[in-house]
Amino acid sequence: GAGVSQSPSNKVTEKGKDVELRCDPISGHTALYWYRQSLGQGLEFLIYFQGNSAPDKSGLPSDRFSAERTGGSVSTLTIQRTQQEDSAVYLCASSLVGVGRESTDTQYFGPGTRLTVL
Amino acid sequence: AQSVTQLDSHVSVSEGTPVLLRCNYSSSYSPSLFWYVQHPNKGLQLLLKYTSAATLVKGINGFEAEFKKSETSFHLTKPSAHMSDAAEYFCVVTRYSGAGSYQLTFGKGTKLSVIP
Repeated sequence: GAGVSQSPSNKVTEKGKDVELRCDPISGHTALYWYRQSLGQGLEFLIYFQGNSAPDKSGLPSDRFSAERTGGSVSTLTIQRTQQEDSAVYLCASSLVGVGRESTDTQYFGPGTRLTVL
Repeated sequence: AQSVTQLDSHVSVSEGTPVLLRCNYSSSYSPSLFWYVQHPNKGLQLLLKYTSAATLVKGINGFEAEFKKSETSFHLTKPSAHMSDAAEYFCVVTRYSGAGSYQLTFGKGTKLSVIP
C-alpha cells in the first residue's frame, strides 16, 4: 500500500487489560512517530524512532506505555494495565528523514486506532 | 521552545464565502510550518507547508497560507468554502533538533463548519 496503515481501527478494552496497537509505515521511511489525540487535548507526541538510533521516548506519559520497532519497519505501541484516561485516538506517522539541518521533513499519518477503555 | 496558537477553536462560514483560519507561532529558530486537515474519522492529511522558499504557499483543494515573520503568523485561507471543507485543521511548527530528530508542535485545532 502507498500510505501508513494502522490496526486495529477500533479497540475496546476493559480497564486493567493490556493492548497492542500496530503501525505499518510507508515503505522506505526511516522515521516513525506515535501521537495521541484526546478530546480537548489536541495532538500529543509520544515516541519517535529514527533508523537504528535509540528512540526518543520523551513523550510517553507513563511507564505503562512502551513501543518497539522491529527491523526498522513495523512498530507496536503497547499500553499495559489500561486506564480510562488512556482512551484516545492513537496516530502513527512516518517520514523520510533528510540529511543535515533541513527541517522540511513531512510526516504522513495513518488513519489512527480509536482506543476505548471501559 | 516553540509553540503554536490557533486563535479560534471553531469557525463557521457559509458555502461560497471566504475561509480564514488563524495561526500564530513562537519559535527560537527559523521554523518550518504546516497545515494539516482531519476529516471526521480520518487521518491527518497534509494541506501545505512553508519551508522559506516563498512566503505565500499554495496547497491542495484551493487553500493557501501566508508566512508573516513580523507578525509570527501563518494564517490559512481559501477564497470560497465548499461543503467538503468541513473538517478540523491543525497548524504545526517543526524544527530540526539534531541527529535526524524533528520536534513537532501542534496547535489545538480549529473546527471548520460550512453552512449550506
